[in-house]
Amino acid sequence: DVKVTQSSRYLVKRTGEKVFLECVQDMDHENMFWYRQDPGLGLRLIYFSYDVKMKEKGDIPEGYSVSREKKERFSLILESASTNQTSMYLCAGGTGSNQPQHFGDGTRLSIL
Amino acid sequence: EDQVTQSPEALRLQEGESSSLNCSYTVSGLRGLFWYRQDPGKGPEFLFTLYSAGEEKEKERLKATLTKKESFLHITAPKPEDSATYLCAVQRYQAGTALIFGKGTTLSVSS
Repeated sequence: DVKVTQSSRYLVKRTGEKVFLECVQDMDHENMFWYRQDPGLGLRLIYFSYDVKMKEKGDIPEGYSVSREKKERFSLILESASTNQTSMYLCAGGTGSNQPQHFGDGTRLSIL
Repeated sequence: EDQVTQSPEALRLQEGESSSLNCSYTVSGLRGLFWYRQDPGKGPEFLFTLYSAGEEKEKERLKATLTKKESFLHITAPKPEDSATYLCAVQRYQAGTALIFGKGTTLSVSS
């Protein structure tokens, strides 16, 4: 079975902090994705990556950046956390087109 | 604008009471449509992929169908363990592998 692991299930940070969310996949697949999920808004794509050191903006990239130094690891960075970034963050991995993405169990992030 | 709309937002069923969930989409060039199940506090779990109108996929009590404008997830004789949020997502030809998700249908099945 494919496995996507997010380093923290719950995280509490202060406004203005730099926050790192980590995701690791064991599928040896090229594509990785970061989403946030909010009540009433569903899943929205923040950033994705097709290969090491490559990144593409999703629908809501403002306030976020990403890093992919190794194929299996994709990090989401909140440069200066704000309260409106309190959310559930989901990482996914996948192969090429037409193939499903596989998700981790999420990080519930609270910014105080 | 490309979008995915799921209905109803919430559905309550008695055990054994069959029903359907709807996912309508407006996209320019559908590459694939995906159904996921999400339990509280968990990430979405992949169920089905549909690629072309007329296609059907089945898994236990679930059956997914696809037309040119919408997809249905039929649930036959549901059990309480089928309670979850069901998400629909589409992949477009001009957008690589990125998905657009609907907001989901939360299904509750009582015994």
